Amino acid sequence: KNQVEQSPQSLIILEGKNCTLQCNYTVSPFSNLRWYKQDTGRGPVSLTIMTFSENTKSNGRYTATLDADTKQSSLHITASQLSDSASYICVVSEGGTGFQKLVFGTGTRLLVSP
Amino acid sequence: NAGVTQTPKFRVLKTGQSMTLLCAQDMNHEYMYWYRQDPGMGLRLIHYSVGEGTTAKGEVPDGYNVSRLKKQNFLLGLESAAPSQTSVYFCASSYSTGSGEQYFGPGTRLTVT
Repeated sequence: KNQVEQSPQSLIILEGKNCTLQCNYTVSPFSNLRWYKQDTGRGPVSLTIMTFSENTKSNGRYTATLDADTKQSSLHITASQLSDSASYICVVSEGGTGFQKLVFGTGTRLLVSP
Repeated sequence: NAGVTQTPKFRVLKTGQSMTLLCAQDMNHEYMYWYRQDPGMGLRLIHYSVGEGTTAKGEVPDGYNVSRLKKQNFLLGLESAAPSQTSVYFCASSYSTGSGEQYFGPGTRLTVT
C-alpha cells in the first residue's frame, strides 16, 4: 500500500534555532514529492515540489532534500521564526498514466517558542 | 484574484440532514478536488473533476456526491449526514494533475451531531 510517514509527530524549538523534519514514503510509481505548510485553521500551502531528478530545493528559509533511492525526504528550516509554527505535510504524487493521486502524510506539528 | 474560496466556513448538522458545500476558483484550472482531513490522518480524496461536466470517485466517496456544472465551481453534497462525516473539508484546484501544484481553499469545518 502506498504510504507516506513523517517524523517527528510534533516538535518544539526556540525561535532562531534550526530544525529538520523527516519523510519516508513507499509510493510507487513516483512522480514528485511536495512539502506543504498548514497554519491552524487554514488550507495547506505549497512550499516545494521536487521531481525524481532533484536532490535539493529551497524556498527562502525552507530547504527540502530528496533521496529517491532510499525514498526519504527532509525539510530543513533555518533560523526559525514564530510564524513558522504550523503543521508541515509531506505529500507524494503517484506516477504513471492517467490521474495521478496525491498521498498525504499526517504531518509534523511544529511550535516555535519565543 | 481570490484563488480558491469555500462556503460555508463552519456548519453544524443533525444526523440525516443534507447540505451542499461550494467551492469556487478564479484561476481557470481544469482540475478540482474535494478532500477531508481528520485528526491523525492525512488528507483523503473524496471526489475529483478533470473538467467541466466530469466527476470521478476518489479514495473515500461513500456518502458524498459532487457536481461540476461550471468550470469555476465544484459542489460537494451530503444527502443524509452521518456523525462519521464530521471533518474538515478542503477544496483544491490545479492546472494539471500529477506535476501540477494544487491550491487549497481555507476549509469548511462540519460537525454532524
